[in-house]
Amino acid sequence: GAVVSQHPSWVICKSGTSVKIECRSLDFQATTMFWYRQFPKQSLMLMATSNEGSKATYEQGVEKDKFLINHASLTLSTLTVTSAHPEDSSFYICSARDDRGTFYEQYFGPGTRLTVT
Amino acid sequence: AQKVTQAQTEISVVEKEDVTLDCVYETRDTTYYLFWYKQPPSGELVFLIRRNSFDEQNEISGRYSWNFQKSTSSFNFTITASQVVDSAVYFCALSDPNTGNQFYFGTGTSLTVIP
Repeated sequence: GAVVSQHPSWVICKSGTSVKIECRSLDFQATTMFWYRQFPKQSLMLMATSNEGSKATYEQGVEKDKFLINHASLTLSTLTVTSAHPEDSSFYICSARDDRGTFYEQYFGPGTRLTVT
Repeated sequence: AQKVTQAQTEISVVEKEDVTLDCVYETRDTTYYLFWYKQPPSGELVFLIRRNSFDEQNEISGRYSWNFQKSTSSFNFTITASQVVDSAVYFCALSDPNTGNQFYFGTGTSLTVIP
């Protein structure tokens, strides 16, 4: 089956530093990937839609300059949290949309737990 | 606008009891997809089922069953003879092909199965 990986699975960083999270589709191409954020005991909230070769589309209220998204290839999207603060601590999940077929099946990564101290 | 409502925030049942998780959705589109995902404490989303808007057949998979009723915009999920391993947060979601298959998640139902 289709697999999406995320790296790292968890990360602790100091306030003010930047951290990069990778999302890879391992056995399919994904022109489109999505980034979600999930706070404890809350639902997944879509942050942005990442499109290969073009700028990401951010949801209302998400700071573009703080959450940098780069979709450099058909199998890799990265989310960089710049100048991280404790309130950015969250669970970040990506999903990748399979370019094949008519439905464009979407697969979720295992998530990255970010803790900012 | 699309919206998914899971009115049950937390449910506790004793092992072997049946439990139904409710999901009500809103959309103006005629073509859409509905999903259920399980999220154990590890955080990884586990895909359970996908149903398209044109297929109202109920589905059973082992102890899991789903009841899709377009008339009431509901897509309920029943676990029969619950087990401790069923303890998790369950999310219902709507996917809209008209918006690039963006997912709209409900707020989730936390299920605790007590041994």
